[in-house]
Amino acid sequence: AQKVTQAQTEISVVEKEDVTLDCVYETRDTTYYLFWYKQPPSGELVFLIRRNSFDEQNEISGRYSWNFQKSTSSFNFTITASQVVDSAVYFCALRLIQGAQKLVFGQGTRLTINP
Amino acid sequence: DTEVTQTPKHLVMGMTNKKSLKCEQHMGHRAMYWYKQKAKKPPELMFVYSYEKLSINESVPSRFSPECPNSSLLNLHLHALQPEDSALYLCASSQDGLSAGGGKNIQYFGAGTRLSVL
Repeated sequence: AQKVTQAQTEISVVEKEDVTLDCVYETRDTTYYLFWYKQPPSGELVFLIRRNSFDEQNEISGRYSWNFQKSTSSFNFTITASQVVDSAVYFCALRLIQGAQKLVFGQGTRLTINP
Repeated sequence: DTEVTQTPKHLVMGMTNKKSLKCEQHMGHRAMYWYKQKAKKPPELMFVYSYEKLSINESVPSRFSPECPNSSLLNLHLHALQPEDSALYLCASSQDGLSAGGGKNIQYFGAGTRLSVL
């Protein structure tokens, strides 16, 4: 069975600080996808990134960056120079490449950026 | 455009009512999903339709009845719900739920229907 752990339930920082959201996953399969979604108060889950297990390259998109390390089964997400609009719940999720179309979500991290 | 539209945004219903939630996408996606999300919890998968056929039912009680009339529409019919069924119901779609290639299995979510059962 697959499992995703987001140990940080809530994080609160002041605007312009950098913040890292941790994600640790467990799976016996060697081929899988990892995802990050953002859920603002409006409720919609917004897709941020997908990374497959073959590709350990880190990725940067504007103020967002992701660090994927298979050796530690981690897929961490860093927001640089945080802004109030980054306040949301962030979910990390895993899906096997083979098999059912199930996303296994972590419990989510509620991020609050204070002005 | 990655838009999934859900209606209504809010719904209040009694335990004897029958209501339906609607989800629509015009991205040509062939897999559609229903999730239930309780407060401060992650979404939980309920149903998956792939090419308009039900492919996954996560042991959901029969008071929830999904329907996929065509490739763009997904309904969730509700009957005799309980107060504990109050939650945010999210719909999602992906280009092709079975294929792993490219971005085909990325799920795009709607804003949800916030359901209260009295």
